[in-house]
Amino acid sequence: DAGVTQSPTHLIKTRGQHVTLRCSPISGHKSVSWYQQVLGQGPQFIFQYYEKEERGRGNFPDRFSARQFPNYSSELNVNALLLGDSALYLCASSRDTRSYNEQFFGPGTRLTVL
Amino acid sequence: TQLLEQSPQFLSIQEGENLTVYCNSSSVFSSLQWYRQEPGEGPVLLVTVVTGGEVKKLKRLTFQFGDARKDSSLHITAAQPGDTGLYLCAGERPGSGGYQKVTFGTGTKLQVIP
Repeated sequence: DAGVTQSPTHLIKTRGQHVTLRCSPISGHKSVSWYQQVLGQGPQFIFQYYEKEERGRGNFPDRFSARQFPNYSSELNVNALLLGDSALYLCASSRDTRSYNEQFFGPGTRLTVL
Repeated sequence: TQLLEQSPQFLSIQEGENLTVYCNSSSVFSSLQWYRQEPGEGPVLLVTVVTGGEVKKLKRLTFQFGDARKDSSLHITAAQPGDTGLYLCAGERPGSGGYQKVTFGTGTKLQVIP
């Protein structure tokens, strides 16, 4: 079975632009979470979606938004990009949102904002 | 403020040495995961610990969850160059909206020199 896939792998944008990142979960997984990982730090939680509904949101500004589609794939959108948005954006999928639920991560999208 | 502190932040050791990485918090977690992340890739799940005082072994890796479920440790015996990577702990707590909130630690960067 294919693992979590993300696209694109790398992206370069300039300040003020917007970006859309995509994620396809493992087959059978209905929950997708998004994380931001700045170089040298642990991932920071952005959003969790389950069955197309937002179930959790981290401490990120409204410039960050996401959605989940009927096939459980997901998009993360970031508007009005800032230099500080440069990071590795990780998507993780899991079967549901219950406790002790193992997450499987994709390879990430490396976003550079110039 | 970082909810989960890992120590040490960096560790460079010779092949064959033993090491311990610590993950500490003032919060109680319903479960805790350990991941290893290599450059340019997403984190890969190593283990999940659930019960206070639980010890799990994965070949040369030993994971322990504190009795109060606030801290954890990872011990590697006879480290090998293949163990090189960023080790991340992640604690899971109930969040609002029916999801489990996952918080990652600050990370420990391990280098094993042949």
